[in-house]
Order: sequence, then structure tokens, then C-alpha cells
Amino acid sequence: GEDVEQSLFLSVREGDSSVINCTYTDSSSTYLYWYKQEPGAGLQLLTYIFSNMDMKQDQRLTVLLNKKDKHLSLRIADTQTGDSAIYFCAERGYGGSQGNLIFGKGTKLSVKP
Amino acid sequence: NAGVTQTPKFQVLKTGQSMTLQCAQDMNHNSMYWYRQDPGMGLRLIYYSASEGTTDKGEVPNGYNVSRLNKREFSLRLESAAPSQTSVYFCASKQTESYEQYFGPGTRLTVT
Repeated sequence: GEDVEQSLFLSVREGDSSVINCTYTDSSSTYLYWYKQEPGAGLQLLTYIFSNMDMKQDQRLTVLLNKKDKHLSLRIADTQTGDSAIYFCAERGYGGSQGNLIFGKGTKLSVKP
Repeated sequence: NAGVTQTPKFQVLKTGQSMTLQCAQDMNHNSMYWYRQDPGMGLRLIYYSASEGTTDKGEVPNGYNVSRLNKREFSLRLESAAPSQTSVYFCASKQTESYEQYFGPGTRLTVT
């Protein structure tokens, strides 16, 4: 079955880089996503990567995909206190109905000044 | 443009009471979803509706019912609330061929 695993916590200092890791099990996943949830709010799509890509960069965000190891990572450069949030990795299985997403448990990023 | 709206924002129920959580979207999306979020558990799909007039079970449907009232609205009903249903409930919507789900702000439900 499909499963997405992430570590639950990450703490970094302001200005450092943050790397949030995720592993998934469904090798047929066509899209992989990173969502961000700020305190008391719903989830917002942060970025995504197609399975035929190895890397995607968007300003301070870099997504790396290792399909062989089924490993996805999100790197945030120059992490700011405003980046403190929960980050969810999600996959969309090839057999999923209407784009259903399977979410990891979320990584809580704490940024210390 | 309100996006996805949910009511109420907070609710406290006693065991055995019933209630309906409301969700509406104004983006003309075909697909709508109900998730629950529990500490350390991520988001789990309760029910979804691929289009108006259709609903399907997700990962954790027991104890819930849904209604896709029209294209805009998708409600979640708890017929007999249980403490295990204490959670934060999120509604989401997306266009059929899109990869992005848009989430509402959530309803925090406590069942005592």
C-alpha cells in the first residue's frame, strides 16, 4: 500500500538551511508535493515535482527527488522565523481516484532566532 | 474570492450528539474532500466527491456521512459523535486535472 514517512520535528537557527526529508512507497507516484501548514490554518501547496524530474528550484526552495531510493527532500535556504510551520510531504498514486493525496504525518519546523 | 470556507470554526459536542460540518468553495472545482488531522497522524481522508452527485469513502469513513449538495457545497455529518472523533477537520477542493488541492481553514471539533 501507499505510505509516506517523515521525521516529526526539525529545529534550526535563523539563517541556516533546513532540510526536510520524506520517503514514499508507491513507485508509480507521478507527482510529489510539499504542503505548508502555519499555526491554526489549513494547508497550502508550497511546491511540487513531477516524477520525471530530479530537482526543482524555486527561490529559496529546492526539491530533490531520488526515485531509486523513493526519497524526497525539501531544502529551505536562509531559513527565517516565518518559515516555522508544519511541512507535509504528499504523493499522488497513479491508481488514486481523482487525485487523492496520501500525506505524511508532517515535520514541524522550528526556527530559532 | 473566498476560496474554501468552513463552518463552524469550533464546536464542542457531547457523546451521542449529531452535527453537520459545512464546506463551500467558489472556485468552480469539481472535486471536494474531507480530511481529519490528529496530532502525529497527518491528514487522513474521510470521504471525497469527484464530481457533483458522487461520493466515495476514503481511508477513515466509519462514523461519518457526506452530502455533495451541489457543485459548491460538500457537508460532513456525524450522526452520533464519539470522543474518538475529536479532531481538526479540513475540507479541500480541486479541479479534476489539477495537482493542487485548496484547503479551508479547518473546524476544530471536541467531543466530550
